[in-house]
Amino acid sequence: DVKVTQSSRYLVKRTGEKVFLECVQDMDHENMFWYRQDPGLGLRLIYFSYDVKMKEKGDIPEGYSVSREKKERFSLILESASTNQTSMYLCASSLRRRDEKLFFGSGTQLSVL
Amino acid sequence: AQKVTQAQTEISVVEKEDVTLDCVYETRDTTYYLFWYKQPPSGELVFLIRRNSFDEQNEISGRYSWNFQKSTSSFNFTITASQVVDSAVYFCALSPRGGGGGADGLTFGKGTHLIIQP
Repeated sequence: DVKVTQSSRYLVKRTGEKVFLECVQDMDHENMFWYRQDPGLGLRLIYFSYDVKMKEKGDIPEGYSVSREKKERFSLILESASTNQTSMYLCASSLRRRDEKLFFGSGTQLSVL
Repeated sequence: AQKVTQAQTEISVVEKEDVTLDCVYETRDTTYYLFWYKQPPSGELVFLIRRNSFDEQNEISGRYSWNFQKSTSSFNFTITASQVVDSAVYFCALSPRGGGGGADGLTFGKGTHLIIQP
């Protein structure tokens, strides 16, 4: 089975800090995604990557950046965390095409104080 | 732009009852895929089904069944004889065939929180 691993389950940071959320998948998937999940808003796509060093903006990229230096790893970066970025962050991957099923990590609950 | 609507925010039923989760979608694409995902309390979304827009046959997998009706743009999910382990948030999603960039890619509904009471 594909495993998508997110480095932290819970994270508490202070406003203005630089935050790195890490995601690793172990099945050679080409596509990787970062979503944010908020009550009443469902899942919203922040960024996705379809290849190493390639990235595309999703629906809500403002305040975030990403890095994909290796195929298996996709990092989400909050350059200067703000309280409105308190949320559940979900990483996902798919094998080759964006219309294939997604495999998700367990999520990182980020609190920005 | 495409849209997925799950009008039921929360449903609560007693164990062994049947329950249907509604999903209505909008898209201009003629070929697309529809999905259902389950998010149990542990947080990890789990894939349940992917349905091609060309295939309108209903699908059954154990206690789960899906009714795809292109004429009403709906892809409803029914759990028969519900169990406490079915308690989760369920998401319906839509993707154009081949995927797409940004906001035209995979679109999720807001989810339905299903509570199965013992």
